[in-house]
Amino acid sequence: DGGITQSPKYLFRKEGQNVTLSCEQNLNHDAMYWYRQDPGQGLRLIYYSQIVNDFQKGDIAEGYSVSREKKESFPLTVTSAQKNPTAFYLCASSKVGAFVEAFFGQGTRLTVV
Amino acid sequence: KNEVEQSPQNLTAQEGEFITINCSYSVGISALHWLQQHPGGGIVSLFMLSSGKKKHGRLIATINIQEKHSSLHITASHPRDSAVYICAAPAGNKLTFGGGTRVLVKP
Repeated sequence: DGGITQSPKYLFRKEGQNVTLSCEQNLNHDAMYWYRQDPGQGLRLIYYSQIVNDFQKGDIAEGYSVSREKKESFPLTVTSAQKNPTAFYLCASSKVGAFVEAFFGQGTRLTVV
Repeated sequence: KNEVEQSPQNLTAQEGEFITINCSYSVGISALHWLQQHPGGGIVSLFMLSSGKKKHGRLIATINIQEKHSSLHITASHPRDSAVYICAAPAGNKLTFGGGTRVLVKP
């Protein structure tokens, strides 16, 4: 079945360490997105990519990095420069242009101790 | 002002009650999504609709494209419906999310 997979579901890291969150889709979607959610708040866009080897910053890109070397994969690295990395991270994908169809991962809850 | 606004932010209901959550958006869209997020964080896509009404079990979603408004209804609510419900609309090349509605259904 086609879908979007995020892993792991829960992730713990020590302060100061970089950590990479995985997002993979087999839907042949061109566009992929990363969002962050803090307790009691809505989802905010970190980065998005509409085509391989290209990506754009969202509203809260500072302290994060991404790559899009393959259409299927859009990993997010939370760097040590991110001041408050503990949050829920959601990956999504969609077709470009039509935007009628969008799929969502289950999310990764990152806790930095 | 957010491009996607939800109301109410919080809602408490007794088991069996009819629940309505509203979503208004200020951007032109081709479709709108309703998502459910349970405690623990996992997000489930409930509906994607571009016109009219969709029904799945006790959940009903409606949309009025001209009025830029969508509603999610829960009929005969149950404690297991307790979750955060989020609407999302495409704005340009991105999905914009509403702030979510936290629903608590008491037995």
